[in-house]
Amino acid sequence: EVQLLESGGGLVQPGASLRLSCAASGFTFSTQAMSWVRQAPGKGLEWVSTISGRGSGTSYADSVKGRFTISRDSSKNTLHLLMKGLRAEDTAVYYCVKDQTVAGTFDFWGQGTLVTVSS
Amino acid sequence: DIQMTQSPSSLSASVGDRVTIACQASHDITNYLNWYQQKPGRAPKLLIYDTYHLKSGVPSRFSGSGSATHFTLTISSLQPEDMATYYCQQYDNVPWTFGQGTKVEIK
Repeated sequence: EVQLLESGGGLVQPGASLRLSCAASGFTFSTQAMSWVRQAPGKGLEWVSTISGRGSGTSYADSVKGRFTISRDSSKNTLHLLMKGLRAEDTAVYYCVKDQTVAGTFDFWGQGTLVTVSS
Repeated sequence: DIQMTQSPSSLSASVGDRVTIACQASHDITNYLNWYQQKPGRAPKLLIYDTYHLKSGVPSRFSGSGSATHFTLTISSLQPEDMATYYCQQYDNVPWTFGQGTKVEIK
């Protein structure tokens, strides 16, 4: 059974940094692309970033490019999202997502972790 | 970026009704279109991928169709557990983009 467990969310001030983690199990982590998708309170879904199975390829939404860094540790089956220069508009639930064989199809989602950026 | 527009934004239907949700892409995305279901307070779930392929375990009352820029999600006989918000999403080009969502309520 695929399981994705996010951690690291919380309340931070504007300009702060935060690192989200996602512990993955139930599938061969090192071969699957992984993504982060966020959802602002009461709003729709927004793709944030994707990393290839080997970790050699990454892509980002323009809204986070240059501030967020996605990475993975296949020895620990863990996905990370390092967020710097946080803004109020980054406030959202962040979901860790397993991509299907083809990247861009999000076939399993974690329960999400809330990031609140506020002074 | 490819814009995804869903209609309607919300609907209310009775149990047993046939429900149709439309999704329009701003550019031709061939069949690179997925549908997700999100129940209140829960994470989204993949329902349909590649326009019409049902994910394993999804009830057969759900179906998808379309191509290029116009797509449809159909629930053939609405059930109480289908109350949720439904999102379409394209993966033809990065950034992957979602529709704004369609909230389905039960009368």
